[in-house]
Amino acid sequence: NAGVTQTPKFQVLKTGQSMTLQCAQDMNHEYMSWYRQDPGMGLRLIHYSVGAGITDQGEVPNGYNVSRSTTEDFPLRLLSAAPSQTSVYFCASSYWDPGRANTEAFFGQGTRLTVV
Amino acid sequence: AQKVTQAQTEISVVEKEDVTLDCVYETRDTTYYLFWYKQPPSGELVFLIRRNSFDEQNEISGRYSWNFQKSTSSFNFTITASQVVDSAVYFCALGDYNNNDMRFGAGTRLTVKP
Repeated sequence: NAGVTQTPKFQVLKTGQSMTLQCAQDMNHEYMSWYRQDPGMGLRLIHYSVGAGITDQGEVPNGYNVSRSTTEDFPLRLLSAAPSQTSVYFCASSYWDPGRANTEAFFGQGTRLTVV
Repeated sequence: AQKVTQAQTEISVVEKEDVTLDCVYETRDTTYYLFWYKQPPSGELVFLIRRNSFDEQNEISGRYSWNFQKSTSSFNFTITASQVVDSAVYFCALGDYNNNDMRFGAGTRLTVKP
């Protein structure tokens, strides 16, 4: 059972380049989300999805796009990378049950992105 | 607005000392969830505990214990007889009732010296 898998683990981009951070989970979780972690700020929610075909914005969505075509995958796209997007990105998944909200989140290993 | 404050940026203790990590939260919701996650030097996030707002009973798990007090909006975490392996960044998070969003505090870096 792999859990939540993120690729790549490390990435360096030039300003203006675009790229996709991959996230896949094999736990059949409906809920998936992307966070970014910056020093002194904890983790902040970028986008989330409660199921295939449904996505919504979190706290810091600007500059990022997401899609959810399958239950397993939730890629995060950087449209035009900026130095302010240098961060560690975490993907998470959790069981989604409106009657038992906010279950434990399982996190991927993180992607360390540097934009120069 | 939801907010989590972890006022202690860094804490350093000597092995076997007890240490308490503070977490204060703000929310207008009557139903909410509180979490603690551990991030060891390897970088992954490890779930420690989830508590809902209706359950103020303190919890103990081995050397870990949690004190939830709604009256002071606090959810503090105590490690008893700390060990070097407890060295990590610890995050407190506040969860929304209507979805699985979490609002994280800035984290407390705990260093346990031998």
